[in-house]
Amino acid sequence: DQQVKQNSPSLSVQEGRISILNCDYTNSMFDYFLWYKKYPAEGPTFLISISSIKDKNEDGRFTVFLNKSAKHLSLHIVPSQPGDSAVYFCAARARETSGSRLTFGEGTQLTVNP
Amino acid sequence: NAGVTQTPKFRVLKTGQSMTLLCAQDMNHEYMYWYRQDPGMGLRLIHYSVGEGTTAKGEVPDGYNVSRLKKQNFLLGLESAAPSQTSVYFCASSYTTSGRERWNREQFFGPGTRLTVL
Repeated sequence: DQQVKQNSPSLSVQEGRISILNCDYTNSMFDYFLWYKKYPAEGPTFLISISSIKDKNEDGRFTVFLNKSAKHLSLHIVPSQPGDSAVYFCAARARETSGSRLTFGEGTQLTVNP
Repeated sequence: NAGVTQTPKFRVLKTGQSMTLLCAQDMNHEYMYWYRQDPGMGLRLIHYSVGEGTTAKGEVPDGYNVSRLKKQNFLLGLESAAPSQTSVYFCASSYTTSGRERWNREQFFGPGTRLTVL
């Protein structure tokens, strides 16, 4: 079963507006969540993370929100820029998992239009 | 500091052929991983290693073997390639520290290998 799910395969926004990418999970043992960004023909790069003891983490234009009761997290990008156009993957880790393994969602293609 | 590198970048195989993908990292990381990325399926873990000489199965290990003879290298082998193994393969590494931070480390990814099996 898909333990981490990104229900929107794609999202298109105007430059300067807010981009909101969503992620849902089912495993209650997940306690650390990450967002990765991936450009074509490159490997994913780490963007921002959040621990389950927090409900918000901010880094410049990027903010991740965690709603544990709903098993939902979201990534907000404000303001969006054309260079943000990429595939965004949500990932989760369960505490005490051997090898610190991550479970990834399917990804959301974000397109920011000038 | 090159980070995580992968060899080759592209490869085309015929069904039944074998090949080895090489991953190298120069960050002295303990953990290494092999993933495959397929459209609409995100990144799925094939095998991983928590240290030199140790390997373990991930989510989709069938048809693949791995070896970690040196800490900096992690090899992924396909003994008899099948069209279902057409994919983009990513290697990643991460490190452990003692104490509370050991679980809060991101994985660093290589640039990927695009494999086509005809």
